[in-house]
Parts: sequence; C-alpha cells; structure tokens
Amino acid sequence: DIQMTQSPSSLSASVGDRVTITCRASQGIGKSLAWYQQKPGEAPKSLIYGASSLQTGAPPKFSGSGSGTEFTLTISSLQPEDFAIYYCQQYESYPVTFGGGTKVEIK
Amino acid sequence: EVQLVESGGGSVQPGGSLRLSCAASGFTFSDHYMDWVRQAPGKGLEWVGRTRKKVNSYTTEYAASVQGRFTISRDDSQNSLYLQMNSLKTEDTAVYFCARVGGSFCLDHWGQGTLVTVSS
Repeated sequence: DIQMTQSPSSLSASVGDRVTITCRASQGIGKSLAWYQQKPGEAPKSLIYGASSLQTGAPPKFSGSGSGTEFTLTISSLQPEDFAIYYCQQYESYPVTFGGGTKVEIK
Repeated sequence: EVQLVESGGGSVQPGGSLRLSCAASGFTFSDHYMDWVRQAPGKGLEWVGRTRKKVNSYTTEYAASVQGRFTISRDDSQNSLYLQMNSLKTEDTAVYFCARVGGSFCLDHWGQGTLVTVSS
C-alpha cells in the first residue's frame, strides 16, 4: 500500500497568513493526488485534483503543486472560514489512501 | 445540484450486519464510479471501497480491513449505492460517507454521512 504522510499534523496561523501543508507519498504517484477540506461535523470537500487543478467551486486562494512523491497545498491568505482539517489522498493505485490530516487552527 | 444522501446507519452488536444506502441525484449516476469512505470518531479518513460502472462490469475494490466482510453494490435504475456490512467489529464504528468519483478519479462530491456504532 502507498503510505501518505502529511506535515505538520497541526499548525496555528493568523488571519491573512500564507499557509503551506506538505504531503509525501511512500512511492511515486505521478500527479494522482487530491486535497480535501473538512470542517467539524461536515463531510469533506474537494479542493484540488491532479495535484494542481482547482476543483470547480473551490476558491482560488487554494493551490496545489508537486509530483512524484512530494506535494504541497498552499492557502494564499488564511481567512476565518479556512480553519479546518486538510487531507491529501492518492488515487494512483489501490487501495486508495489518505494522509493523516493537518489541522489548521487560529493563532 | 449533485446530492448524495446516506441512510441505514445505527447501532449493532459485534458480529452483526447492517446495510447502508446512498441515494444519488443531480447527475447521471450510471456514468460514475462510486466510493465508500469512513471516519472513526476523532480520526482521519479511511477509504472502504469502490464500485465501477456497467461498462466495467460493476467490478469492485476493497480495503484490506473490510475485504470479505463488506460488499458494495449499486442499482443504476434507482440511482442508489449500497454497502452491505457483515461480521461487524467494534473497529468498524465510524461515520460512513458515500462519494462520487469524478473524471479525474478524485472524490468530487460527498454525502453528509451516516453513523454506524458497533458495540455490545
């Protein structure tokens, strides 16, 4: 199975900050990577697919980059509604696997 | 508008069975692979499995943790997805989400989830 490792597991940031989350795959996955946002009590929402393509309806403040084994999600200017848990997911091979999540909290 | 609505969750004893349903609307259900993903209380997301579409013979994939106990099926005429869960264990306690697999193979739409509690 491909292991997905996110870092950090949590971070504190202020409104307006630029935030970057990293996701590493245990083996190469090309660009078969997605990012999701989950708020408490809600279902996850798709943000990014194909490592860098913005999902329809996702705000352009979210951007993704990377390929192979290292990927990043960047939030350009953190807003109150962005405080949530973010997950990466690989879909290069079965079983589909998720990272452990990164909790973005208010400083 | 794409909508996915899960139902069928509840409490069950270890060793028991439960069948979850996911009603889809707002898109051509038969054109999409569909997934189940679960989330144990306070934990991260865990992929459960996938059903492909008719042109792919409705073949399925499962996580090792549920292989042989869970079965995913679909009824395209009813726009519905199912998860039959047998031999349930306490570690199967989770919120179960159904999700649509988009053209890019990411999960582009999710239901609100249904809670399954396995406890004696």
